[in-house]
Amino acid sequence: QLVLTQSPSASASLGASVKLTCTLSSGHSSYAIAWHQQQPEKGPRYLMKLNSDGSHNKGDGIPDRFSGSSSGAERYLTISSLQSEDEADYYCQTWGTGILVFGGGTKLTVL
Amino acid sequence: QVQLVESGGGVVQPGRSLRLSCVASGFTFSTYAVHWVRQAPGKGLEWVAVISYDGGIKYYADSVKGRFTISRDNSKNTLYLQMNSLRAEDTAVYHCAKNRDRSTWLLDYWGQGTLVTVSS
Repeated sequence: QLVLTQSPSASASLGASVKLTCTLSSGHSSYAIAWHQQQPEKGPRYLMKLNSDGSHNKGDGIPDRFSGSSSGAERYLTISSLQSEDEADYYCQTWGTGILVFGGGTKLTVL
Repeated sequence: QVQLVESGGGVVQPGRSLRLSCVASGFTFSTYAVHWVRQAPGKGLEWVAVISYDGGIKYYADSVKGRFTISRDNSKNTLYLQMNSLRAEDTAVYHCAKNRDRSTWLLDYWGQGTLVTVSS
């Protein structure tokens, strides 16, 4: 079964860096994912496509502070030089045959 | 720029029906698959349904299969979601979203959403 697992919460200080993790279920470690950001009271926003080899393609207007990387079944989103507007929920997303799957989301708090 | 604008939400009684619409602009709507994704209050994102670029292929989440129908009118750049036999657990903000490309189901643009409240 295709499942994406995310930690429910993370926190980091203003100006620091944070690395969020999305883990693919067993047997799905080659899957590409997308990262999406959802700021409070807003619709989600696509950040990037992240491949199993760590290559990534960012969406329109996404700052260089956002980057992605991969290791095995883990997919990472790193945000550097944290700003207050980065406080948001972050979701990973992938797909299988006839199904689209989201992780449970990570709520990022900027201290 | 790409825009997706949903409408049609509101308060509806359990067992009743509602139809949502999503008007697309800024891209060639007829060449992309599009999805409905919902978010219950205080919860995460849940995929609802997808329709292929020409309407010929449709898939649904198990939670809505047999009750919801996704459709599209490419001449009007509009996506629809017909929701029948609504339940309290269908209460959510419903977003439409487009596929990034033809070879994946990764989403790259989202609408702001329309709120559906199922309550007596």
